[in-house]
Amino acid sequence: DAKTTKPNSMESNEEEPVHLPCNHSTISGTDYIHWYRQLPSQGPEYVIHGLTSNVNNRMASLAIAEDRKSSTLILHRATLRDAAVYYCILTPGDKVIFGPGTSLSVIP
Amino acid sequence: DVKVTQSSRYLVKRTGEKVFLECVQDMDHENMFWYRQDPGLGLRLIYFSYDVKMKEKGDIPEGYSVSREKKERFSLILESASTNQTSMYLCASSSPLGNTIYFGEGSWLTVV
Repeated sequence: DAKTTKPNSMESNEEEPVHLPCNHSTISGTDYIHWYRQLPSQGPEYVIHGLTSNVNNRMASLAIAEDRKSSTLILHRATLRDAAVYYCILTPGDKVIFGPGTSLSVIP
Repeated sequence: DVKVTQSSRYLVKRTGEKVFLECVQDMDHENMFWYRQDPGLGLRLIYFSYDVKMKEKGDIPEGYSVSREKKERFSLILESASTNQTSMYLCASSSPLGNTIYFGEGSWLTVV
């Protein structure tokens, strides 16, 4: 199974950019890189995904390394609502594996 | 809006009871998943299904079974609930390879 590794926790000041890293050295050529986040007492929600090129949407940006062995989720201006657990996952086939995630704290 | 609906948000069951957790999605997705989530352990995959009547074991299938008789519905069954199955259970669905996964709100199960 393709696995990802990331820090257990991170902290950011409100309105500053946040870079959440993820390593996925065993990624295969057909794996997509997805990011989800989970607010307290809720199911995870989709943030962004990509295959090879960097991606932007209204929530975040995803920077993918040229060799695809790592990626970074970028929140351009952290808000208190961005405090959540963030998951970086790969989709090898139909099975989707989540790890413990990165807990992001946002300081007012 | 796309929707994954889990039938019960909070349940309390007794040890040894048979428990059904129901999940319905309205997006015509082929893939459906059941996870459990415990503090510090992230989401662990119990079972998944990629088609009607098809199922595959995830990382922690012991003590659970699943049923998928219709495309939109995926049920998780605890044949004989035990206290170590007290957890939050999440259902999810997706279309094949690379597409977004949609989660339900979660079902909090307490086994006493």
